[in-house]
Amino acid sequence: GAVVSQHPSRVICKSGTSVKIECRSLDFQATTMFWYRQFPKQSLMLMATSNEGSKATYEQGVEKDKFLINHASLTLSTLTVTSAHPEDSSFYICSAEGGSNSYNEQFFGPGTRLTVL
Amino acid sequence: AQSVTQPDIHITVSEGASLELRCNYSYGATPYLFWYVQSPGQGLQLLLKYFSGDTLVQGIKGFEAEFKRSQSSFNLRKPSVHWSDAAEYFCAVGPSNTGNQFYFGTGTSLTVIP
Repeated sequence: GAVVSQHPSRVICKSGTSVKIECRSLDFQATTMFWYRQFPKQSLMLMATSNEGSKATYEQGVEKDKFLINHASLTLSTLTVTSAHPEDSSFYICSAEGGSNSYNEQFFGPGTRLTVL
Repeated sequence: AQSVTQPDIHITVSEGASLELRCNYSYGATPYLFWYVQSPGQGLQLLLKYFSGDTLVQGIKGFEAEFKRSQSSFNLRKPSVHWSDAAEYFCAVGPSNTGNQFYFGTGTSLTVIP
């Protein structure tokens, strides 16, 4: 149980286009999902916290108009990178909060490799 | 402010040797601590976690970690390393007082030599 999927796993796009990445909790409902960005050989940096039915909360320095997050259901959150540029190339990882414990754990997706040409 | 420090950027060990990866944290309350492993191009896999209780935590793949409050540490250990353990290891602390945000360390890259 507690599986999180991401689609696509890898995407290559031209500069200026928009890319949508999906994050799904497959066997549990996730009120809260998180989006992380990871540069090569570096740690995960939290970009935003996504709550179902409300606006996402973005971390300082993350452009909310560039990284659009939608959490329309309890099992799906999407991250859209608008007008992507080469500097947006990165590994994007989502996590979903869920579980029956008093502390809701985070379960991580396998990540999406974005390459912007 | 909450933070996690992994002092060792890269560690090389021989197969069969013991391993210890260091993790220190700064946190205002009782922390929830995690160790994750990441293979190249892959997502994160949870190795083990500490919430409360016994300070020595057993995880998957033969890993264990010990929470030491006095040293603000949560070091990961394995008695005998296998070649398949070569990966990136991340220590994390969560949640924060303002939400359920995880704070990750910068990671330790493990190389296993025959």
